[in-house]
Amino acid sequence: DAGITQSPRHKVTETGTPVTLRCHQTENHRYMYWYRQDPGHGLRLIHYSYGVKDTDKGEVSDGYSVSRSKTEDFLLTLESATSSQTSVYFCATAITYEQYFGPGTRLTVT
Amino acid sequence: DQQVKQNSPSLSVQEGRISILNCDYTNSMFDYFLWYKKYPAEGPTFLISISSIKDKNEDGRFTVFLNKSAKHLSLHIVPSQPGDSAVYFCAASARGGTSYGKLTFGQGTILTVHP
Repeated sequence: DAGITQSPRHKVTETGTPVTLRCHQTENHRYMYWYRQDPGHGLRLIHYSYGVKDTDKGEVSDGYSVSRSKTEDFLLTLESATSSQTSVYFCATAITYEQYFGPGTRLTVT
Repeated sequence: DQQVKQNSPSLSVQEGRISILNCDYTNSMFDYFLWYKKYPAEGPTFLISISSIKDKNEDGRFTVFLNKSAKHLSLHIVPSQPGDSAVYFCAASARGGTSYGKLTFGQGTILTVHP
């Protein structure tokens, strides 16, 4: 079971403010991912990383940016939060194709 | 365009009976398939996977079947237990090249197992 933590676990923020979510892993996995989970949509990939400083967009990347300056940390930033970004955000890590997920961050944008 | 679809939002089963969860995909490049289980307020956890070179993979009470010609996979749970009540997601990957382990998930099926 990969050691993956996410912070904060819950956050309420106002429309237009920037928000940063953090994912931290202790397993030295190469690949890291950010997903959002919404009813009727399952898990949708926002951004992913295939190494330090190597990142790329997923299917729902608009309004989000990421950074990975160390193997263990993957940050997701909402540049200017909107109500449509109210969701549960999951971070995952992988060595190959079996991804291990963190506990999630529930974000509410009012 | 939903490349991985779980058409049943929910399934209700009696304890001890078989649960069958279904998943369809459209991308013929997918060659590795996984099932994840998710409890409320927790992250998804890996359950079982299958490569496209196989048509069946079994792990205890869980069996995944793959029908490549129909682009369909199913997860069988026998016997079902109340602790199996959760949301089940199927996921697919096109391995190799620059896939970087990316997964495409279905919408999920809520399984309820009644005592």
